[in-house]
Amino acid sequence: GESVGLHLPTLSVQEGDNSIINCAYSNSASDYFIWYKQESGKGPQFIIDIRSNMDKRQGQRVTVLLNKTVKHLSLQIAATQPGDSAVYFCAETQTDSWGKLQFGAGTQVVVTP
Amino acid sequence: DTEVTQTPKHLVMGMTNKKSLKCEQHMGHRAMYWYKQKAKKPPELMFVYSYEKLSINESVPSRFSPECPNSSLLNLHLHALQPEDSALYLCASSQDSQRHYGYTFGSGTRLTVV
Repeated sequence: GESVGLHLPTLSVQEGDNSIINCAYSNSASDYFIWYKQESGKGPQFIIDIRSNMDKRQGQRVTVLLNKTVKHLSLQIAATQPGDSAVYFCAETQTDSWGKLQFGAGTQVVVTP
Repeated sequence: DTEVTQTPKHLVMGMTNKKSLKCEQHMGHRAMYWYKQKAKKPPELMFVYSYEKLSINESVPSRFSPECPNSSLLNLHLHALQPEDSALYLCASSQDSQRHYGYTFGSGTRLTVV
């Protein structure tokens, strides 16, 4: 969803459950996508990336899925932990864009015990 | 070393002050970036340096002046800022501006203009 004013979309997840964070991207020419985690007062932390010639990539407890047909990106977090509470941003860029990242609005993930 | 280091972490400055933000990386990255982030918003690109040359200026006001003294250092010089310039200023680096591998952000400088 889109943020309105100062309110980020929020995903509330119970500890131990799986989380799915969605992102719609805008530029069909984008060929590289990154998910970042940002905790309060810190800079964005790289989680996982994927190039447009792939549709799935797995990391430690995280999986990114890319659907170019509908310009949709998702981040799945397995066995969500309290330390996963943060704002998650997707970002897109393309090879000839001088490295400019276009960020999504962000999703606040709150992990409850 | 896989970090981007930014100093200072916090800065309060008056509207007539001149200050500088510093950024350093030792990953051999040849592209470095300045982003600005307001509360509850995503980062927005300000400047891109590629091989120590300014490649992109996203129509940033001239009271912000970037400088790249060498491939490891990036500065942002600030002069005559306005209260609305208060934000988190993030530095980032990547392998180069075409190959974006390892696109890493620093922890930022929290700037308050009074």
